[in-house]
Order: sequence, then structure tokens, then C-alpha cells
Amino acid sequence: NAGVMQNPRHLVRRRGQEARLRCSPMKGHSHVYWYRQLPEEGLKFMVYLQKENIIDESGMPKERFSAEFPKEGPSILRIQQVVRGDSAAYFCASSLQAAGPYEQYFGPGTRLTVT
Amino acid sequence: AQTVTQSQPEMSVQEAETVTLSCTYDTSESDYYLFWYKQPPSRQMILVIRQEAYKQQNATENRFSVNFQKAAKSFSLKISDSQLGDAAMYFCAYRRIGNAGNMLTFGGGTRLMVKP
Repeated sequence: NAGVMQNPRHLVRRRGQEARLRCSPMKGHSHVYWYRQLPEEGLKFMVYLQKENIIDESGMPKERFSAEFPKEGPSILRIQQVVRGDSAAYFCASSLQAAGPYEQYFGPGTRLTVT
Repeated sequence: AQTVTQSQPEMSVQEAETVTLSCTYDTSESDYYLFWYKQPPSRQMILVIRQEAYKQQNATENRFSVNFQKAAKSFSLKISDSQLGDAAMYFCAYRRIGNAGNMLTFGGGTRLMVKP
């Protein structure tokens, strides 16, 4: 029973390039959450998606960031024209249901470094 | 908006001894979940323990237990018989109950060092 998968684990981009981070939820999970962890800080919520729908993007920067969770395939977090301040660890979590005592299971994270 | 505060950036404990990590939170909700997560150097987030706010009994998981004080909005983690493998960042987190706002709100973390 594979856990939440994220790839790549490490991603290096130059300023101005695009970064694409992928997240495959646990089998049977249709709820996906993205969090960002800046160095020496806690995780901060970015966006919550169900299959083909963005439910809550209140934590996502308004520009350059987008997320999707298509009917088939992984969830994608896309950062356009990256800047040094985007350097962080990005974590994906999935859950079976949104409400109730359903745990969010975390992936290993993608560490993005912008040079 | 909910906030979670961990006032101890670092804590240190001798192996086999007991340590308590502090967490306070702010919410206007009456029902919610509270969590402690461990993040070792691998950065993998590992759920340590969970508490439902409507339960008066404090949660326990082997060597880990919590002291949940709802009125004071306090949720501390006690680690008994500390082991070297307990060394990690520990994050307190809050989540609402219900369909809306299911995201976790995390504190800033406490780095726990275990001395042999």
C-alpha cells in the first residue's frame, strides 16, 4: 500500500524558470492538500483540491502559483517565473475524506532551490 | 482565523528522561482536532498523536501523551523515557471539524535534542 508520492524530491531552478511539482495521493484518496515550509518555519497551507476542483486556495499567492488535480494523474503545483523567495520544501498530503477524523497523510516533500 | 503557537524553539532532554513540549492555540470553534507531528531530518511528517476536542480524556500513544486543557487552549506533548530516535522537529497542529477549512494550521515547531 504505497503512501503519498511526490516527485521530484529535489528541484533546482534558475530565477525566471518554471517549477512543476507532482503529487500522487494514496490509493483511494481524492482529497489533496499542498503546504509550503520555509526554512526554520512550520508548514503553511496553500491549497486544497478534490478531483478536478479547487476547493480552497486561500493560502496560495495570487500570482505565479497554480494547482490542479485532474481526473486522471497526479496533482500538480506549478510555480511560474520562480524567485529566490520560492525556495522551500513543498509538501503534499492526501486524505480519504475531508470532514471527520480522517488523517492527512504526508508525502516526503519536494525541496525547491532557486538559484 | 486560527493560530497555533509553540513558544519553545528548542528543547533538550537526557536519554530515558521525560520532556514536555508546549503548544497554545486560538480558535472560536468549540469542536476541532489537535495533532502533534514529528519531522526527523528526513523531513517526512509523521503523525505522533491526535486529540479530539470533544473528548475530555487525554490521548496517549505508548510513550507519548498529551495534556489537553480546552479552557486554557493549551495542548502539550509529554514524551516519556526519551530515546535518541525522538530527536526531531515537533509541530503542533489544529484542524477544524466539518467540510470547510480542512487544512491543518501548524505552529512554528520545537526542535528536540536528546542527549545520550
